[in-house]
Amino acid sequence: DAGITQSPRYKITETGRQVTLMCHQTWSHSYMFWYRQDLGHGLRLIYYSAAADITDKGEVPDGYVVSRSKTENFPLTLESATRSQTSVYFCASRELAGYGYTFGSGTRLTVV
Amino acid sequence: AQRVTQPEKLLSVFKGAPVELKCNYSYSGSPELFWYVQYSRQRLQLLLRHISRESIKGFTADLNKGETSFHLKKPFAQEEDSAMYYCALSRVGNQGGKLIFGQGTELSVKP
Repeated sequence: DAGITQSPRYKITETGRQVTLMCHQTWSHSYMFWYRQDLGHGLRLIYYSAAADITDKGEVPDGYVVSRSKTENFPLTLESATRSQTSVYFCASRELAGYGYTFGSGTRLTVV
Repeated sequence: AQRVTQPEKLLSVFKGAPVELKCNYSYSGSPELFWYVQYSRQRLQLLLRHISRESIKGFTADLNKGETSFHLKKPFAQEEDSAMYYCALSRVGNQGGKLIFGQGTELSVKP
């Protein structure tokens, strides 16, 4: 049931490098989201998008950039990675019928 | 401000015992409440929505607007229920509403 896929699953990068996490969904859901998961913080919203070319900040957007040129893709870019961005990143989408949010398998990012 | 509070970081019970995972929320409008489960750091899976009033894997949750709570309950815990559970909130009727999560409760069911 790979309706929403994230890549890569694991990534190690160095401080200061730019890295892009990919998210692709096959349902044509309008709404997509990026969360980061950290111990003690649960999941926090980074950015979200209501449609192609429409994005907005979430709770913790600093240091991240998103784009949505196509409905099915919602990449997340760390412009200059820092150790504090070491986390597990989850992408999610929501269907218009409102049956809940569907999450990808996550990307575990380590910044060294 | 929207907020979801899960007061217990860890809940440990024995197999067959009842389990209740607490969730309290603060929201000025009409919320849509969810429970998500995450097994071994895998993807989050939707467990329950308060609107559907379903029972999934023996779990139920009732929205109590007076107490602003949405506690998750199961009468007899199983070892396979061991996982991370997240309560989450969104706005009713807003299909793009941001999903706000609590900090999560790790449930450990011992044999």
